[in-house]
Formats: sequence, C-alpha cells, structure tokens
Amino acid sequence: NAGVTQTPKFQVLKTGQSMTLQCAQDMNHNSMYWYRQDPGMGLRLIYYSASEGTTDKGEVPNGYNVSRLNKREFSLRLESAAPSQTSVYFCASSLRPTQGSGELFFGEGSRLTVL
Amino acid sequence: KQEVTQIPAALSVPEGENLVLNCSFTDSAIYNLQWFRQDPGKGLTSLLLIQSSQREQTSGRLNASLDKSSGRSTLYIAASQPGDSATYLCAGRRDDRGSTLGRLYFGRGTQLTVWP
Repeated sequence: NAGVTQTPKFQVLKTGQSMTLQCAQDMNHNSMYWYRQDPGMGLRLIYYSASEGTTDKGEVPNGYNVSRLNKREFSLRLESAAPSQTSVYFCASSLRPTQGSGELFFGEGSRLTVL
Repeated sequence: KQEVTQIPAALSVPEGENLVLNCSFTDSAIYNLQWFRQDPGKGLTSLLLIQSSQREQTSGRLNASLDKSSGRSTLYIAASQPGDSATYLCAGRRDDRGSTLGRLYFGRGTQLTVWP
C-alpha cells in the first residue's frame, strides 16, 4: 500500500539552481496539495489541485510552479532556488470534500536545503 | 483569517496517564476536523477525522470530539504509552465560498513525550 510517494527524500541545491519535486498517489484521489513545513511556522499551503487539469495558489506560492500531470501525479518546481526555500516539503492528497470526507493523506516529505 | 490554536505546545507525562490535547479555531465555518500524528523526520499520519455531521470519533485508545459551537476539538489518549510520543496536529477544513475544495487550516501541534 504505497499511498503518497514523494521523490527525492533529500536534496541540496545551490542558490539559483532549479529542481522538481515529484509526487504520486495510488488512492484514486482527485485533489492533491503541496505544503512546506518550517520550525515555528507550521504547515503552509503552497499550491493545490482540486482535480486533474486545475491548479490554484495557496498561502505561499511565490517562487514555485506546479504541474498536475495526470490524476496520479502532481509536481512542484523551484525555478531559481533561494535559501528561504530551505524547508521540508510535503505532498498530500484527498478525495474532493464534495465527493467524500476530504480526509488528507501525506507523503513522507522531501527535505530541501538551499545553500 | 482562520486561526487554529493548540494547547499545550508541549506535554511530558509518565506512562499510563490519560491525556487531553486541545485544539481551538476561530471560525465556526469549519465543517470537518482531522487529527494527525507526526514522528520526528516523518510525514503526517491521519489519526481521526470528524465530519460535520459527527461529534466524535474513536480509534483504539484515541477519541476525538468536535464542538463547532464553541470552536473546540479535543483528542483524548487513554493509558498513554512511550510509543505515543510524537507531535499531534489538528487541522480544520473550512467551507470557503466559491471553492469546492475548502481550505485546510493547521495548528502548530502539541509535542507529546511519554516516559516509561
């Protein structure tokens, strides 16, 4: 039972480099999310996708882009990484609340350090 | 803006105690509330989900209740064990006008340590 799978688990970047975090879920969920977690800040929503083909900004979208590749996959891209983007990134998925409980399931996280 | 507060921020207890973790939110438009557990260096694991039509949910030694009128939820852990040591987070989903998804608002968590 894989659930939500994120890759890579760890990454170190230099300022200005780009990278993509990958996320896939096998629970046939409609909605997918990207959060970042920082000490003292809690979890903050970066982007979400309510359903395949749609994406929307969350609380802290600046410096990020997303792609909902298909129903299973939702990627997060940093075009030009900055030290302020050093964080732990979590992908999550759920059924749309109108179609189910909206219970959220998380991946194990991707730990990103930008030097 | 929706605020979700968790009290206490940290709790350290001996094994066997019954515990209550508190979560309060400012907006009664919350229509479901979810409790998570997070172990160090790991993702969030869903523990219990209380939907808008429900007042409580139980799973093993865990019981969560939701009082929308007062804007509070509690997570009760019976007969705590060292393996319960983790950070517990609550998150309320709000019915945002114009959004079919609803926004999820997280508290910052209660860090629980249960010592033998």
